[in-house]
Amino acid sequence: AQTVTQSQPEMSVQEAETVTLSCTYDTSESDYYLFWYKQPPSRQMILVIRQEAYKQQNATENRFSVNFQKAAKSFSLKISDSQLGDAAMYFCAYRIRDDKIIFGKGTRLHILP
Amino acid sequence: SAVISQKPSRDICQRGTSLTIQCQVDSQVTMMFWYRQQPGQSLTLIATANQGSEATYESGFVIDKFPISRPNLTFSTLTVSNMSPEDSSIYLCSVEARLYQETQYFGPGTRLLVL
Repeated sequence: AQTVTQSQPEMSVQEAETVTLSCTYDTSESDYYLFWYKQPPSRQMILVIRQEAYKQQNATENRFSVNFQKAAKSFSLKISDSQLGDAAMYFCAYRIRDDKIIFGKGTRLHILP
Repeated sequence: SAVISQKPSRDICQRGTSLTIQCQVDSQVTMMFWYRQQPGQSLTLIATANQGSEATYESGFVIDKFPISRPNLTFSTLTVSNMSPEDSSIYLCSVEARLYQETQYFGPGTRLLVL
């Protein structure tokens, strides 16, 4: 069964610094998709970044980038120049086509002013 | 990305009553999904709703407790029936992106407290 593990329940980072959130997953599939979602206190789930497993190039979206290590089944999120608005719960997620999304338990990120 | 709205945004309900949550999308979508997020927890899929067919429920969720309607391609409802305090959660609907269908976009959620 596919699983997604986020080993850091909480993290803190100083404003303007860089932070990396860890995610590992377990699968026997070769073609799948990985996501990071952000859930601020307003509770809306917001897509931060997506990665297709067949693409070797790491996805980037402005200050957000991933380090996708397919062999190691690792998918970490790097947030550069952290801002107060980045404070949220971050969920790593995995999906194969036509199946449900599997979410990790989340990492709560605090931004220290 | 799709614009998704949910009503109500929050509610406080008495044990034994039912609440219907509405999800409206600004464009036609094939698949809509309903999730539950219990306090401090991750998201759990309740069911997948296709227009014109019965919803498909995940293990542990049954139609009698969580009836779902999907009357058209832009709207769905989830009813939480015969509520108990254990049903206190955030309920979120989501849709598949048009271009990248493996990607889901979420509504703002409905926070439900059952007393």
